[in-house]
Amino acid sequence: SQQGEEDPQALSIQEGENATMNCSYKTSINNLQWYRQNSGRGLVHLILIRSNEREKHSGRLRVTLDTSKKSSSLLITASRAADTASYFCATDGGSGNTGKLIFGQGTTLQVKP
Amino acid sequence: NAGVMQNPRHLVRRRGQEARLRCSPMKGHSHVYWYRQLPEEGLKFMVYLQKENIIDESGMPKERFSAEFPKEGPSILRIQQVVRGDSAAYFCASSPFLSGQGYEQYFGPGTRLTVT
Repeated sequence: SQQGEEDPQALSIQEGENATMNCSYKTSINNLQWYRQNSGRGLVHLILIRSNEREKHSGRLRVTLDTSKKSSSLLITASRAADTASYFCATDGGSGNTGKLIFGQGTTLQVKP
Repeated sequence: NAGVMQNPRHLVRRRGQEARLRCSPMKGHSHVYWYRQLPEEGLKFMVYLQKENIIDESGMPKERFSAEFPKEGPSILRIQQVVRGDSAAYFCASSPFLSGQGYEQYFGPGTRLTVT
């Protein structure tokens, strides 16, 4: 079954605020990735966190991973209107997986100027 | 280094026609993945190919859909006798190594298929 369920499904904040999105998954993983998709466009890779890592930073992005709870969170600090997009987490399904990514339904983020 | 290229970007087909979607991976990448995205949903895996080999087609519908990645040229996703339910965005991604070992997949801009 599909894993990588994001929460919340939609989030609306003011520019300058922080945005937190959560992702839960069901099976073991080797890594978990976060992607951004602007409306009607392709996916842009944001960050990859391996199963032996707990936290990773990239600019205004902070990702955490809790393998015991099978969950991850993406924090965007000091949000900008340009951050408005859909955000997806994707897992690789763990050992034995052929490399396909399993995506969640995504969180739609709206940042109001 | 050009990114993943997909064409056409938009494709309109009448019911019963064939749709052919092309994907050129990033230079040096030998792994290609196809995903389908229905409106307001996440991406769903369809097929994973290496040059001249289908590695995993567990997400492909059993009928009407086929994919190839020849030794020369782009990867092709072919949908025969399209139906309205095939209307979706189809994304191709490429990777230099098996993504399960921790390498990201690079996505193309997608082909938006509309079946009328």
